[in-house]
Amino acid sequence: QQPVQSPQAVILREGEDAVINCSSSKALYSVHWYRQKHGEAPIFLMILLKGGEQKGHDKISASFNEKKQQSSLYLTASQLSYSGTYFCGTVPFSGGYNKLIFGAGTRLAVHP
Amino acid sequence: NAGVTQTPKFQVLKTGQSMTLQCAQDMNHEYMSWYRQDPGMGLRLIHYSVGAGITDQGEVPNGYNVSRSTTEDFPLRLLSAAPSQTSVYFCASSYRPNQAEAFFGQGTRLTVV
Repeated sequence: QQPVQSPQAVILREGEDAVINCSSSKALYSVHWYRQKHGEAPIFLMILLKGGEQKGHDKISASFNEKKQQSSLYLTASQLSYSGTYFCGTVPFSGGYNKLIFGAGTRLAVHP
Repeated sequence: NAGVTQTPKFQVLKTGQSMTLQCAQDMNHEYMSWYRQDPGMGLRLIHYSVGAGITDQGEVPNGYNVSRSTTEDFPLRLLSAAPSQTSVYFCASSYRPNQAEAFFGQGTRLTVV
């Protein structure tokens, strides 16, 4: 069962912030975040393994609330290069910890 | 550094034809998987493998077969193509799917007419 991402789409001006949410109905072992540019393969951003964990990558960070099976991706002071589709991937405890299931994606457009 | 290589990049099939999408990785990853990407639906897991000789179904396995005879290769077979299988297919590999980065191939755009 796919995790649910929100919002479906975001439009930003350069320098603005955004938050993308990911929610699962299953207990999660880990949450993964990827970004995909049009016509390209998805590229890894980060993995969160523990409840309460937060990670950062330049001005992109994420948090994981294991009690709520939710994760959020924070994009701060957005740049034109942040444009693309963001996917959260979840690995539930069920299924032998081997299934990486992605959400439907959030389209982000950053304009000058 | 080749990473994950998919062939072909583009393919047009007629309904009922069969074909194999190839995927090879040179990172010695035990875990490999196939996804299909359709507009508005994200990446959906078709089949995956945790090592040579071991495969299992994902979310949308119907109409697809896989096998894993070597660590490097994980082909995806369409036995009788249907228009509903028109999609972009991505192969991915990782050291551990639950703890490590997945590396994706560049995708195969398949059209079934």
